[in-house]
Amino acid sequence: GAVVSQHPSWVICKSGTSVKIECRSLDFQATTMFWYRQFPKQSLMLMATSNEGSKATYEQGVEKDKFLINHASLTLSTLTVTSAHPEDSSFYICSALGLAGGTILEQYFGPGTRLTVT
Amino acid sequence: AQSVTQPDIHITVSEGASLELRCNYSYGATPYLFWYVQSPGQGLQLLLKYFSGDTLVQGIKGFEAEFKRSQSSFNLRKPSVHWSDAAEYFCAVGVAGYSTLTFGKGTMLLVSP
Repeated sequence: GAVVSQHPSWVICKSGTSVKIECRSLDFQATTMFWYRQFPKQSLMLMATSNEGSKATYEQGVEKDKFLINHASLTLSTLTVTSAHPEDSSFYICSALGLAGGTILEQYFGPGTRLTVT
Repeated sequence: AQSVTQPDIHITVSEGASLELRCNYSYGATPYLFWYVQSPGQGLQLLLKYFSGDTLVQGIKGFEAEFKRSQSSFNLRKPSVHWSDAAEYFCAVGVAGYSTLTFGKGTMLLVSP
């Protein structure tokens, strides 16, 4: 149980275009999902916390108008990188907060999406 | 605010030798502690976690970790490393009740023949 998927697994887009990344909890409901960014050979940096039915909470320094987050259902959150530029190229990982049979909320991670902006 | 320190950026271990990856945390209350492994281009796989109880935690793939409150440490160990263990390892601390995770910078494990 507690499987989180991301789509696409990799995407190449041209500078100035927008790209949408989906994060789905496949076998549990998640009122809260998280979006991370990981630069090569570096750790995960939390970008934002996504709550179902409400606005996302962004970490300091993350442009909310550039990284649009929508959490319209209990199993789906989307991250849209708007007007992408080469510096947005990165590995984006989502996680979903769930119980998955336990009694303590945990984050379950997706496999990540590699974004390359040319 | 909580923080995690992984003092070793790279570690090279011979196949079959024992392994210990260090992790120190800073957090005012009892932390939730995690170890994740990440292969190149892949997401995170949870190796083990500590919430409460027995301070020696067993995980998958033969890994274990010991929570030492007095040293604010949660070191990861494996008695005999396999070549397939070569990957990046991340220690993380979670805030109870919300599960906000703070990650260390990671330790890259290289396994030599």
